[in-house]
Amino acid sequence: QVQLVQSGAEVKKPGSSVKVSCKSSGGSFRNYAIQWVRQAPGQGLEWMGGVLPVFGLSDYAQKFQGRVTITADESTSTAYMELRSLTSEDTAVYYCAKLGVIAGRRGYFDSWGQGTLVTVSS
Amino acid sequence: EIVLTQSPGTLSLSPGERATLSCRASQSVSSNFLAWYQQKRGQAPRLLIYDASSRATGIPDRFSGSGSGTDFTLTISRLEPEDFAVYYCQQYGSSPQTFGPGTKVEVK
Repeated sequence: QVQLVQSGAEVKKPGSSVKVSCKSSGGSFRNYAIQWVRQAPGQGLEWMGGVLPVFGLSDYAQKFQGRVTITADESTSTAYMELRSLTSEDTAVYYCAKLGVIAGRRGYFDSWGQGTLVTVSS
Repeated sequence: EIVLTQSPGTLSLSPGERATLSCRASQSVSSNFLAWYQQKRGQAPRLLIYDASSRATGIPDRFSGSGSGTDFTLTISRLEPEDFAVYYCQQYGSSPQTFGPGTKVEVK
């Protein structure tokens, strides 16, 4: 069973950037896409984008295009999500999640990280 | 983009009762690529159902999914105390994959 462990909570100033990591263990990291989903306080789930490590291909939701970069390091089985130009609207819990479909670029999420709270405040 | 609408917003039921949750898509979901998740307060979502009707590993058989095209249903046959949570549907048949706004199942 794959386990995803994320980096700790962050507090950031408006206009700055945040980079959240997601380390995978217990499965084949390179063949399954890692996706990022965020959840604002009291709100629903919002897909941001993902990366398929074996091909190094990233996909992004249109809303975040140009502001987010999602990468994967196969040597450490770790995925990263960097979000730039932060505003208070980016305050949320950020989750990484593994796709359940081998070599897929979209699909259902069968393993989730514990979440990382990012707070944007001046 | 496919917009998912879930109803009701809140479902108030007692343990042992049957819960029926609806997820409706703004257009047909390709290959019935629809999933259901359960989220408890302070926890990450957990996959329950994928491909509209396949139960994920370790999910009790009181959870079942059905539907096709634009109308999907999650049924919990007999609510256990641990089933009171928020439930989300997600479609992954078209890009971008999208989530519904959720249905909260609360204790009556």
